[in-house]
Amino acid sequence: GQQLNQSPQSMFIQEGEDVSMNCTSSSIFNTWLWYKQDPGEGPVLLIALYKAGELTSNGRLTAQFGITRKDSFLNISASIPSDVGIYFCAGQAGGTSYGKLTFGQGTILTVHP
Amino acid sequence: DTAVSQTPKYLVTQMGNDKSIKCEQNLGHDTMYWYKQDSKKFLKIMFSYNNKELIINETVPNRFSPKSPDKAHLNLHINSLELGDSAVYFCASTSKGGLSAMSAFFGQGTRLTVV
Repeated sequence: GQQLNQSPQSMFIQEGEDVSMNCTSSSIFNTWLWYKQDPGEGPVLLIALYKAGELTSNGRLTAQFGITRKDSFLNISASIPSDVGIYFCAGQAGGTSYGKLTFGQGTILTVHP
Repeated sequence: DTAVSQTPKYLVTQMGNDKSIKCEQNLGHDTMYWYKQDSKKFLKIMFSYNNKELIINETVPNRFSPKSPDKAHLNLHINSLELGDSAVYFCASTSKGGLSAMSAFFGQGTRLTVV
């Protein structure tokens, strides 16, 4: 089945630093999504990308849908302590997979004040 | 108001028991899902229902039976619970079409512990 490889698995950074994480796939996705999960909560959508090459920002977050449609990255600028959590990429392939999201393994982000 | 709500939030039960998890969404969405998150935080889709019709079934054991009484509700019933069923189960929903269709909204999760 489809798999997403998300890296890095974890990051320990100082407050104020920029963060970058990415996802790659062996197959094409039509939609890329980035979610954040806080402890004891469900994933919350951060950014949705619908077109190859698309670059979208949401406050300090910026994400891009790779031209090949097989990858995406998420950048967080000037990190703050509340950025702590698990970040997931997710892809949707379309066709008979309509509605089915395939998730990456997650990136655990720790921000030291 | 909570968009996607699941009950219960925590469920501890013995092996062999049968249990249900309920999910309701007030977003007017047509499609609802069950995802399972394992101890390594990996999220994997289990089922998807569109307007009460099953459209995705990801080779989940038949001890798991989803039921959708209407498009705002999707419940998950699990028979003969096993230790390996311990996980966090998330309900999610999406709208029918348009660019926002793939932006799934998730519930808070139900942490199931089988002892």
